Amino acid sequence: GQSLEQPSEVTAVEGAIVQINCTYQTSGFYGLSWYQQHDGGAPTFLSYNALDGLEETGRFSSFLSRSDSYGYLLLQELQMKDSASYFCAVLRHGSGNTGKLIFGQGTTLQVKP
Amino acid sequence: DTGVSQDPRHKITKRGQNVTFRCDPISEHNRLYWYRQTLGQGPEFLTYFQNEAQLEKSRLLSDRFSAERPKGSFSTLEIQRTEQGDSAMYLCASRAGGSPTNEKLFFGSGTQLSVL
Repeated sequence: GQSLEQPSEVTAVEGAIVQINCTYQTSGFYGLSWYQQHDGGAPTFLSYNALDGLEETGRFSSFLSRSDSYGYLLLQELQMKDSASYFCAVLRHGSGNTGKLIFGQGTTLQVKP
Repeated sequence: DTGVSQDPRHKITKRGQNVTFRCDPISEHNRLYWYRQTLGQGPEFLTYFQNEAQLEKSRLLSDRFSAERPKGSFSTLEIQRTEQGDSAMYLCASRAGGSPTNEKLFFGSGTQLSVL
């Protein structure tokens, strides 16, 4: 089996930096992804770490350490529109040489003025 | 709009009825996924297709659930004899083929099912 643990809620102020951690217990996965979902909306892709280390995409960065079974999403210069749920997900090995995403339960980020 | 589209957006049904949802993936994507999401939880994997072949089904997919992708394009998810516990958002996603590490899934807006 597999499980991913994330904090359920995080609160931060506009302009600040916030880090959302994700620890996992799984094996045989290609990489760690992060998705954002606004209320009533579809999950949208943010970033993917296939290898250990930091990936940066604009205000968002993501980190993976396979040896520590740990990753995080770092959001900088927070804006009100960043208020949303954030999900880490492992891309697990699947049938037919393809992968399937297994999601954590999500972290609700509230950005305050 | 060339994103993933799902129909209907909302479905209200009575317990015991059958329902069917449709997903149209991005046209060049040969991988198609179905997920279920309940309030405050992450999407739960149900099943996925590579072209028309259904390659894997979750244990969550009881025998009341069936999914098809007859021509490797659109897909349908049918739930027979619906139960109140089936109430959830049903999400469809697709991605391009090639490397298994082509990681980016594109999600549709989902079908919200309410079973009364």
